[in-house]
Amino acid sequence: EAQVTQNPRYLITVTGKKLTVTCSQNMNHEYMSWYRQDPGLGLRQIYYSMNVEVTDKGDVPEGYKVSRKEKRNFPLILESPSPNQTSLYFCASSLGLVSEQFFGPGTRLTVL
Amino acid sequence: QKEVEQDPGPLSVPEGAIVSLNCTYSNSAFQYFMWYRQYSRKGPELLMYTYSSGNKEDGRFTAQVDKSSKYISLFIRDSQPSDSATYLCAMSADNFNKFYFGSGTKLNVKP
Repeated sequence: EAQVTQNPRYLITVTGKKLTVTCSQNMNHEYMSWYRQDPGLGLRQIYYSMNVEVTDKGDVPEGYKVSRKEKRNFPLILESPSPNQTSLYFCASSLGLVSEQFFGPGTRLTVL
Repeated sequence: QKEVEQDPGPLSVPEGAIVSLNCTYSNSAFQYFMWYRQYSRKGPELLMYTYSSGNKEDGRFTAQVDKSSKYISLFIRDSQPSDSATYLCAMSADNFNKFYFGSGTKLNVKP
């Protein structure tokens, strides 16, 4: 089944404890992206990647890191999480330019 | 000013009604316009996609883009309870790398 998977789905952590949210797609998509969704603010793009080893900042990249060492994986790294990073995170992938984005199921992160 | 503005609702309509959802935007560089539907506790899924101005129809759904007014709309005809969800508009400029989403409109279709 074609899909985007994210792990973990739920995470509660404390300020400053490094964490990684994994994202994997099995559709051989070139483009991958991370978003956060907050009430009243909608989806905001954090980082995106057009291909392996090619990443760029979205609208709200501060406090996040990404890497794209393999085509299928695009992990999101929070080196020192803070409470304002408490949010619902979505990973998405698509074939490339002018193409439908497929979203993962979401990761609900709480930083205490 | 936010790049994309969308009325959050909620919007409550009876089954069978015509629903109109709208977004306005400020960046005249936007060329690609999308509507996503998001059910509770799920990721968004693409409903409609249009390029530049004009209309596009797909079954009960019609997307309209008016670039001169920086205004896009999604119409749902003969709305069904299964249409109850949050609808998000999204836009991108020519390079199609960065996406900008509206905050979403929550729709409830009552049986």
